[in-house]
Parts: sequence; C-alpha cells; structure tokens
Amino acid sequence: DTGVSQDPRHKITKRGQNVTFRCDPISEHNRLYWYRQTLGQGPEFLTYFQNEAQLEKSRLLSDRFSAERPKGSFSTLEIQRTEQGDSAMYLCASSRQGYTGELFFGEGSRLTVL
Amino acid sequence: DQQVKQNSPSLSVQEGRISILNCDYTNSMFDYFLWYKKYPAEGPTFLISISSIKDKNEDGRFTVFLNKSAKHLSLHIVPSQPGDSAVYFCAATPYNQGGKLIFGQGTELSVKP
Repeated sequence: DTGVSQDPRHKITKRGQNVTFRCDPISEHNRLYWYRQTLGQGPEFLTYFQNEAQLEKSRLLSDRFSAERPKGSFSTLEIQRTEQGDSAMYLCASSRQGYTGELFFGEGSRLTVL
Repeated sequence: DQQVKQNSPSLSVQEGRISILNCDYTNSMFDYFLWYKKYPAEGPTFLISISSIKDKNEDGRFTVFLNKSAKHLSLHIVPSQPGDSAVYFCAATPYNQGGKLIFGQGTELSVKP
C-alpha cells in the first residue's frame, strides 16, 4: 500500500504527558499537511510543509504543538503537556505541488487525553 | 466563525434516488471548492472539485454545482447507492493558499436499499 500512513493509530495518555505522532506521506508528494478533527466537526487545518519547509501554521497550533519534516519525507507532530482539550483525531495528508486541492489523507491518529 | 457551513447533519435517501448535499460559505475570497467522502475509521477521500470560474462539474454519478452569487454549492449523487453511505464534507480554499482547506461540519448520508 503506497498511501499516507500514520502511527500510532490510537494513543491514550494522561494529562500533562507528551505525545508524538508520525506521518509518512505518499513518496512522490512534496507537500504534507496536518489537520485535527473533533467529534461532529470537519477537519481543521493545523500546518503544512513544502519539502522540509514549514510554510504556514494555524493559530490553533499553540506553543505546545510542534511539527517537523526534517528531510522532506516523513513528518512528526508533537504535543507537549497534553490537555483534555487536545483529544481529537489528528489527520495527515499529502499532495503534489501545483496544488489542485486534492489532498490524500491518512487514516488518522486518535488521541485520548485522560 | 464558521466560513463553510453544512447545515444538515444527516440525510436519508432511498437507493436509486437523487441525493443532494448542500454547503454555504461566507468568504468571497474562496475560489476553489471540493467535496470529500469519509467512511468510518478511514481518512477523508477526495470526491470532486470545482473552480470558481465554473458553475458545474460532473464526474460520473457525481455533479457539483456552484452558485457564487448565493455563496452556495451542492453535490448531487444520481442514482444513489448503498455504498455511498458516508459522511460528506465540503471544503473551500482561496487560490494559492497551499493545502489550507476550510471544511464544513459534514453531512452523514444514509442510502437505504
């Protein structure tokens, strides 16, 4: 399968702990995006990369959130000092440059903060 | 503020009939619109899109209509099939904004045999 893969699929953690999610995009895609989805809502944009450069960050991405894409391939999203409000599905997507709007999403990483 | 709104959380349609999903937007800078479909435990998958220079785009059983003056778009599925049962999200973006899509809340479509 050459789609977007995310790991872990599920993470349960206690408030105050740090968590990290990994995303492996489709190999020929140079753009990588992170979105967050809560129950009953559509995905909300968090940030995106073109190759290794982080080009935009949403104001939803507080200082506790950091995303990296060190070699322009996989990406990590780290949440420090988790809060119960961070509980959500974290979706990664990728696309080619020459954007047509068609993003390829992974299955998501579900975070539950107790 | 919700820039993209899907006011119907759910829709139930009989197999073979038309499904019409609606979406309204407020930002006049949006110039590209998309529909995504999401099955449980899967990520959203792209379905169909339309540029603001068009008012209709068709792909098989799926047609998207755009009414810029009303800031409204709709997705028509004809004929509806049970496999179309999923959550449908509309999304919008201003031109040249990378992948920053603004999504609606979604409409859960149920197609009954």
